[in-house]
This record gives sequence, C-alpha cells and structure tokens, in this order.
Amino acid sequence: QSALTQPPSASGSPGQSVTISCTGTSSDIGVYDYVSWYQLHPGKAPKLMIYEVNKRSSGVPDRFSGSKSGNTASLTVSGLQPEDEADFYCASHAAGNSVVVFGGGTKLTVL
Amino acid sequence: EVELVESGGGLVQPGGSLRLSCAAPGNIFNIHFMTWVRRAPGKGLESVAKTNPDGRDKWYADSVKGRFTISRDNSKNSLYLEMDSLSVEDSAVYYCAKEEWWHFDIWGRGTMVTV
Repeated sequence: QSALTQPPSASGSPGQSVTISCTGTSSDIGVYDYVSWYQLHPGKAPKLMIYEVNKRSSGVPDRFSGSKSGNTASLTVSGLQPEDEADFYCASHAAGNSVVVFGGGTKLTVL
Repeated sequence: EVELVESGGGLVQPGGSLRLSCAAPGNIFNIHFMTWVRRAPGKGLESVAKTNPDGRDKWYADSVKGRFTISRDNSKNSLYLEMDSLSVEDSAVYYCAKEEWWHFDIWGRGTMVTV
C-alpha cells in the first residue's frame, strides 16, 4: 500500500492534454511543498520531471507542469506525444518520515 | 546526461544475502544525501534506505529495518546496500538515487534482485 494515491492508468491522444492526480494527506502533500514527479521508461533510469510542486527539472519540456491544491498534487502533460508514454510516479516529503514517500504509479498511454 | 551505475543484483535463495553497489561521478557524490529506492513487480516505488553525506546518519524503511544496511565510501564515490535475510517480498529492481531537498535528481538504471 503506497503512501500516496494515484490512478493506475491515464490516457490521451496525441496533441491532447492529460492530468494525473496524486492524493496524500495533511501530513505530506497538504503541508509540504516538496512534491516531485518521475517518469519511468523500461530499461532506463527514472527521470525527475517536476520538483517542489511546480519546478521543471533541467531539460524537461514546458508541456509538463505541476500543481497542488490541498492534499492533492497534479501533473499535467499538454500536447501529448508518443514518447510521453511511460509510468509516472509522484513523491513527497512526509511529517515524521526521514525518507521520501511515493505514490503507486500511473501508466500513461498515448492512444 | 549524468547517471549512476548500480551492480550486484542477481538470484538468491530466501534467507540469503546480497550486496549492491552504486558508482557515482565524484563531483556529485561526496556532498549529497544518497538513497536506495526499489520497485517490486506490480508495485510502486519505495524508498528503502538513505544516508547523509558523511555516512554517519542512516534511515531505513520499516520493511527492511534490521535486515538491510546502507553505507558509502566517499573515497571511492560508491554507495552500498547490504541485504540480509532476504524474502520473496524483497524481489525488485533496486535503484540508487542522489537526493536533493526531498526529491531525486539523478538516478541509475537499476539492478534486479530476485529472491
């Protein structure tokens, strides 16, 4: 059971936008602005996409954006491209926890 | 693009031990927190163990506490994970990652552990 809750899947057609949610609690996402998002492609190193809620990592296209409202963070991918198909994970700092906690992951399919 | 390089994974019997290693470029290793993260089949990512820059402070997930030991050798730019009393639930791809203010900005491709 992951600490943060993500939908198991999301999908969209090329050019469309898709938003992936990540729900936590008032002890993690709700109180800290340390939400990050990672993209996982098979056989590759995981890639940091977004950190501190809405800051894009170096080299990440501006089609990727992050936000937060209350206990829920979101990753939006605009102008979907085939290479965006991957697993996405959210993560956050949590009160009383010295290690970063993760969501269960969302498989993004580009139709 | 800078990557870390993990090694040491493999097939091990339940109850057995394994030692993972992670090699990092020197300019990114010595002054940073480092973490081992795993991804079990069909499951999400999990932070397993973390160490501060000088290796004196260590933190573990409850699921591995008492069985796994994280260590580092800054003179060799290397991070280690000693895993004992392994169980089927420890089967996963293990990644090492450089941590910066509660996010991981540099990762390796991982090494597979099968129990």
